Amino acid sequence: DADVTQTPRNRITKTGKRIMLECSQTKGHDRMYWYRQDPGLGLQLIYYSFDVKDINKGEISDGYSVSRQAQAKFSLSLESAIPNQTALYFCATSDSGQGSNEQFFGPGTRLTVL
Amino acid sequence: AQKVTQAQTEISVVEKEDVTLDCVYETRDTTYYLFWYKQPPSGELVFLIRRNSFDEQNEISGRYSWNFQKSTSSFNFTITASQVVDSAVYFCALSDTGNQFYFGTGTSLTVIP
Repeated sequence: DADVTQTPRNRITKTGKRIMLECSQTKGHDRMYWYRQDPGLGLQLIYYSFDVKDINKGEISDGYSVSRQAQAKFSLSLESAIPNQTALYFCATSDSGQGSNEQFFGPGTRLTVL
Repeated sequence: AQKVTQAQTEISVVEKEDVTLDCVYETRDTTYYLFWYKQPPSGELVFLIRRNSFDEQNEISGRYSWNFQKSTSSFNFTITASQVVDSAVYFCALSDTGNQFYFGTGTSLTVIP
């Protein structure tokens, strides 16, 4: 079984709809991250959480919100989806430290906003 | 500010050729970590290597090798005798002491049979 799972894997929605992307991990890591990937732009950090009570904005947080329901779960919400939020979204986890541990990525969620 | 630059957007090579993917980084931290990830056409991100700022020793793993040079702030990745399965997008990333990752924009490698 995958250590980091994302649901759904693919989603097509309409402008203005609320949508939630979910991430679960069985690695026991305390840190979790949400990224989006657009062609030619690499991965951009949306939000990150270093523990259940710690939520931080990344470089492109506008239009997104997150919830860390438990150490193992970190969900990303688009309150009112717009077409330019069409992208590939990745959840990642890492163990606490000074950046020494790599981030482990989920399989990605491909979101299309019409 | 932290920054990772992968100037090569797309590279095409013929199978069995060697290819080097460039990565240049910027950071003011003295302690940092550099990574390479592979993203095959299936879309997942696969961890390839981690290197900390105090270890400039080059590393070889099979057909893969990495050249870390602090003097030029570079962490280049070479694939020897490329194969079609190496076709993917490759990302270089920098992690600072705050455990945030900064990714380059990726290099798309196509290996032609």
